[in-house]
Amino acid sequence: GAVVSQHPSWVICKSGTSVKIECRSLDFQATTMFWYRQFPKQSLMLMATSNEGSKATYEQGVEKDKFLINHASLTLSTLTVTSAHPEDSSFYICSARDAGTGLETQYFGPGTRLLVL
Amino acid sequence: KQEVTQIPAALSVPEGENLVLNCSFTDSAIYNLQWFRQDPGKGLTSLLLIQSSQREQTSGRLNASLDKSSGRSTLYIAASQPGDSATYLCAVSPETSGSRLTFGEGTQLTVNP
Repeated sequence: GAVVSQHPSWVICKSGTSVKIECRSLDFQATTMFWYRQFPKQSLMLMATSNEGSKATYEQGVEKDKFLINHASLTLSTLTVTSAHPEDSSFYICSARDAGTGLETQYFGPGTRLLVL
Repeated sequence: KQEVTQIPAALSVPEGENLVLNCSFTDSAIYNLQWFRQDPGKGLTSLLLIQSSQREQTSGRLNASLDKSSGRSTLYIAASQPGDSATYLCAVSPETSGSRLTFGEGTQLTVNP
């Protein structure tokens, strides 16, 4: 149980295009999902907290107009990198909290590697 | 601002050794501390979660301890195996929100056959 999937796992795009990454909780409902970014040899940095049915909360320094987050259902959150540039190339990981348990445990997806040319 | 530090950054040991990974955090007002494993190019696998009121947690060959007042945690791996090779991350969440994790930069472990 408690599986989180991400799609796509790999994406290569040209500079200036937009890329959408999906995060799904497969066997539980997640009122809260989190988006992290990880650069090579560095740790995960929280970008934003996504709440179902409301606006996402962004961490300081993260541009909300550049990283659009939508959490339209209890099992799906999407992150859209708009007008991507090479410096946006990174490993993006989502996590989800099981709304049914009342616990704070986060379950992590397998990550999406983005390469912007 | 919470800062999490992990020492060492990298560790290489022969198979069968017992080893200790260290994690320290600057703000002791935490809700919980978690240890994760990350394989190259992959997501995170949760290994152990210690609530702030707990002192340690055990799972198989893994034992994690927490000294909240001193801002330290250790992950003990017994009888290491090549399959344990991965990056180990610790993360803490603040008392105000059990979900907002701050991660350390990880310890890259290599267990040599």
